[in-house]
Amino acid sequence: DAKTTQPPSMDCAEGRAANLPCNHSTISGNEYVYWYRQIHSQGPQYIIHGLKNNETNEMASLIITEDRKSSTLILPHATLRDTAVYYCIVRGGPMDSSYKLIFGSGTRLLVRP
Amino acid sequence: KAGVTQTPRYLIKTRGQQVTLSCSPISGHRSVSWYQQTPGQGLQFLFEYFSETQRNKGNFPGRFSGRQFSNSRSEMNVSTLELGDSALYLCASSLGGAGAETQYFGPGTRLLVL
Repeated sequence: DAKTTQPPSMDCAEGRAANLPCNHSTISGNEYVYWYRQIHSQGPQYIIHGLKNNETNEMASLIITEDRKSSTLILPHATLRDTAVYYCIVRGGPMDSSYKLIFGSGTRLLVRP
Repeated sequence: KAGVTQTPRYLIKTRGQQVTLSCSPISGHRSVSWYQQTPGQGLQFLFEYFSETQRNKGNFPGRFSGRQFSNSRSEMNVSTLELGDSALYLCASSLGGAGAETQYFGPGTRLLVL
């Protein structure tokens, strides 16, 4: 079973920031938080991942709470092309031998014009 | 660098037939994982290969099998197709070192079983 809980859907206006929450209250110390998105039946696209520090790349920012029980993916200036299903996934770190991603239901983000 | 490629992109088969799907990983990646996506079950892990060996396997019947070649390309095979095998089949590649690494997905093969 997925170790994360996400709202089923959200929307935001084009040009505004999209803040997608994820709850992972049972995360353990060596587990990472990964974010992927899937645009209408294409393959999932990797966005960002982090362990405990906040992370930023050209696509998004990841804010992880100090207790690591929740995180927020931020798309700073959402565009219509960001409409997709966003998946938050918890998985093990360098010594994890599971090698698999366990996807939950994700959050369907709709960016409105 | 070229991304993960999958062939064919679309496929129509009938019940009872078998099918082989192909995946070419990102250059330098040695691990290939396969996933099945259906509307009812979502994205589910099938298996993962590294150095031509299956390292991990999901909860799918033995009709689903795979292999990996020395150049890291991978194939998955589904025998005796059932209607419920209609799905988007995705492969993902990663470097393949110890533990969890970022996986990058291909565009998928959409299989329709009639």
